[in-house]
Amino acid sequence: SQQGEEDPQALSIQEGENATMNCSYKTSINNLQWYRQNSGRGLVHLILIRSNEREKHSGRLRVTLDTSKKSSSLLITASRAADTASYFCATDLIQGAQKLVFGQGTRLTINP
Amino acid sequence: DADVTQTPRNRITKTGKRIMLECSQTKGHDRMYWYRQDPGLGLRLIYYSFDVKDINKGEISDGYSVSRQAQAKFSLSLESAIPNQTALYFCATSDYFTDTQYFGPGTRLTVL
Repeated sequence: SQQGEEDPQALSIQEGENATMNCSYKTSINNLQWYRQNSGRGLVHLILIRSNEREKHSGRLRVTLDTSKKSSSLLITASRAADTASYFCATDLIQGAQKLVFGQGTRLTINP
Repeated sequence: DADVTQTPRNRITKTGKRIMLECSQTKGHDRMYWYRQDPGLGLRLIYYSFDVKDINKGEISDGYSVSRQAQAKFSLSLESAIPNQTALYFCATSDYFTDTQYFGPGTRLTVL
């Protein structure tokens, strides 16, 4: 069974708008990671947030983590057409194990 | 050159055939992984290896086997392919220090 569930499953916005995707998980984690996948291609790591962190930034990306609610969000600001992709959260349950459990993903479409 | 390569990129085979998917990496990582992705779903872990002598089953190992021929090479075999093994297969690598996984471009496998 998958640890993470993402919401929404699909999101379509206009270029320049912000996009927010959410991930909920079931058990305690060591860290949570976000990956991007362009259609049918390999996943690319975006950002990692550890269980003792609440917020991280990387360029136009902002990730938050609420361990009490077992949830995370990924915010992409000032979206671009090139941001069109599927976004996956992945949880790493045990420190050092690096066994990721992926959610089913959010399909993001940026309209020009 | 890509850091993580997979061969073949596409393969069509028939039920009952044995097939091998190969993965090579130049990142110098000890840890390697095989995942499968079904349409509209996240990735599920098939097998993982933390070094040449350490191979472990993942969430969905039934019907698959692996071989870690060297630090840089990790192969996935389907001993007798069946149609529900039709999927996109990804190899990934990671190192102990960063907790980040690096993915290959994927192999699209169709079992008729």
